[in-house]
Amino acid sequence: DAMVIQNPRYQVTQFGKPVTLSCSQTLNHNVMYWYQQKSSQAPKLLFHYYDKDFNNEADTPDNFQSRRPNTSFCFLDIRSPGLGDAAMYLCATSKGLAGVDEQFFGPGTRLTVL
Amino acid sequence: AQTVTQSQPEMSVQEAETVTLSCTYDTSESNYYLFWYKQPPSRQMILVIRQEAYKQQNATENRFSVNFQKAAKSFSLKISDSQLGDTAMYFCAFMKGYGGATNKLIFGTGTLLAVQP
Repeated sequence: DAMVIQNPRYQVTQFGKPVTLSCSQTLNHNVMYWYQQKSSQAPKLLFHYYDKDFNNEADTPDNFQSRRPNTSFCFLDIRSPGLGDAAMYLCATSKGLAGVDEQFFGPGTRLTVL
Repeated sequence: AQTVTQSQPEMSVQEAETVTLSCTYDTSESNYYLFWYKQPPSRQMILVIRQEAYKQQNATENRFSVNFQKAAKSFSLKISDSQLGDTAMYFCAFMKGYGGATNKLIFGTGTLLAVQP
């Protein structure tokens, strides 16, 4: 089945230690998104790629970076995680169509910062 | 800027009963889309139903239907014949209708629905 895969599902890191979260897709979608979802809160868009074009949200901290080496993979890098970065990180994809453009979500990676 | 408000943090319903989740939004856009997403415990978020703002007819997907009141900027979700598998966090979301790189979803804070046996 075509899907959005996130690895790992659970990640523990130490304060200030860089961490990378991975997302892959078999849907061949043009757009890949990264959301941060803190406990009991709405998902918040960090950035997205439309093909190779990177689009950063204005309020995304510089501590968060992303890479998309090819259509299938997208990475979220947190350069120096703080305690406030502990959250669920959701990856999503979409075709990038004009008009309604459904987003398909992965299961998320839950990040713990010690 | 667009905002989405879900005023019911938690709700509970008995199995086989009907429940309605509320959502209001604020926008100055004329072309947009509204969605209800379901996020079960420890599982991925999936689309339940969507509504195009230019359509007057309310969307329906099996047991799920919406009451879209464009003038009031209201978009409620009705779940009929509730099942235990409907237990989840439900998010209302808004998307501008211009497509391409502007296809951002703006989520409400969610309603945690518990279906009781």
